[in-house]
Amino acid sequence: QVQLVQSGAEVKKPGASVKVSCKASGYPFTRNAMHWVRQAPGQRLEWMGWINAGNGNTKYSQKFQGRVTITRDTSATTAYMELTSLRSEDTAVYYCARASRQLVGDFSYFYMDVWGKGTTVTVSS
Amino acid sequence: DIQMTQSPSSLSASVGDRVTITCRASQSISSSLNWYQQKPGKAPKILINVASSFQSGVPSRFSGSGSGTDFTLTISSLQPEDFATYYCQQSYSTPWTFGQGTKVEIK
Repeated sequence: QVQLVQSGAEVKKPGASVKVSCKASGYPFTRNAMHWVRQAPGQRLEWMGWINAGNGNTKYSQKFQGRVTITRDTSATTAYMELTSLRSEDTAVYYCARASRQLVGDFSYFYMDVWGKGTTVTVSS
Repeated sequence: DIQMTQSPSSLSASVGDRVTITCRASQSISSSLNWYQQKPGKAPKILINVASSFQSGVPSRFSGSGSGTDFTLTISSLQPEDFATYYCQQSYSTPWTFGQGTKVEIK
């Protein structure tokens, strides 16, 4: 079955970096984009960016531009999200999510149909 | 960025009730609107995409409607397993954005 398995919880000090992995299985990895979404305690979901798993092209939210890097290793069918210069406000659960496309007429509609279980990142001195 | 606003932020309802959640976008997003269900400590689960298309395995009591800026998620007869938080999300343009969530609680 299609699944995304994320790496384990992390505790980091302010100013450090964190790299979260997301291993995909059960589908052709390069066929779908992979998105990263985070959720701080009690907050709404927040989109961080995505990677085209086929060609490696990326797009990031302006909020995280310069601090986030999303990469992938096609041989390992794994996507990665690295966030640098961590601060306490980055404490959150980080999710990877596969994007799928539905074609309606000439228009493509995208949605996140498979999610990892989440990786808790705690930033504390 | 496109702002997504849901109402209400929370509601109390009984099993069997009809529940309606609305989502408004700050600009037209055509039908690029998805609905997710999230239970405590779990990842979100897609319910509806393209405003009104069911996902495989989602009970038929869930339905979505709308286009442009105004959208609705309806649960026709609330079941015990439906108590959760529901989020709308636009995929019309990046950054993709979510509503603040609607928490459906037991009355």
